[in-house]
Amino acid sequence: GVTQSPTHLIKTRGQQVTLRCSSQSGHNTVSWYQQALGQGPQFIFQYYRKEENGRGNFPPRFSGLQFPNDSSELNVNALELDDSALYLCASRFAGEETQYFGPGTRLLVL
Amino acid sequence: GQQLNQSPQSMFIQEGEDVSMNCTSSSIFNTWLWYKQDPGEGPVLLIALYKAGELTSNGRLTAQFGITRKDSFLNISASIPSDVGIYFCAGLNGGATNKLIFGTGTLLAVQP
Repeated sequence: GVTQSPTHLIKTRGQQVTLRCSSQSGHNTVSWYQQALGQGPQFIFQYYRKEENGRGNFPPRFSGLQFPNDSSELNVNALELDDSALYLCASRFAGEETQYFGPGTRLLVL
Repeated sequence: GQQLNQSPQSMFIQEGEDVSMNCTSSSIFNTWLWYKQDPGEGPVLLIALYKAGELTSNGRLTAQFGITRKDSFLNISASIPSDVGIYFCAGLNGGATNKLIFGTGTLLAVQP
């Protein structure tokens, strides 16, 4: 399945953070979502063949990378208090609609 | 960001009761999905609906894709304690990005 690390993270405002995701075997497309407490997940962006090919309403300080083994990273610069949330990655095979979610990384910004 | 309207916000029921929840949108979708999220976990897909008017079952779960393509409902029959969790609807319009638009969630609590 999809795995994510770390499971929990505490940062202070202004710092930078990197979250990691390993896609399900054979999946070549990964999406990242932000889920604030009590809300549904919000789409951040999607990567396919190492290129970002879709972005939600998130500023440029949210960036990502996708590696040849289809693992990926979400980087957030200049952390703000409102960035505190559960960050979910989801992988799929391009051309299929079903996305499989990881357990998430819970980020707390103080 | 955009979220779909989901109701009710929460439900507290007795084991064995049937449950119904629904989801509405101001825009149409080509696919409706229902997910369940347990504490500390990511959402898990329960049912996917691909055609307006479609009624699909998965065990005790039944979901329908509204005729207008702007709504969907999920029914759970004969609830059991492990049904506890947060249920999310999500709309999808496909294409290269395949971005999911989630609802606000329904918290279900089942008392044994």
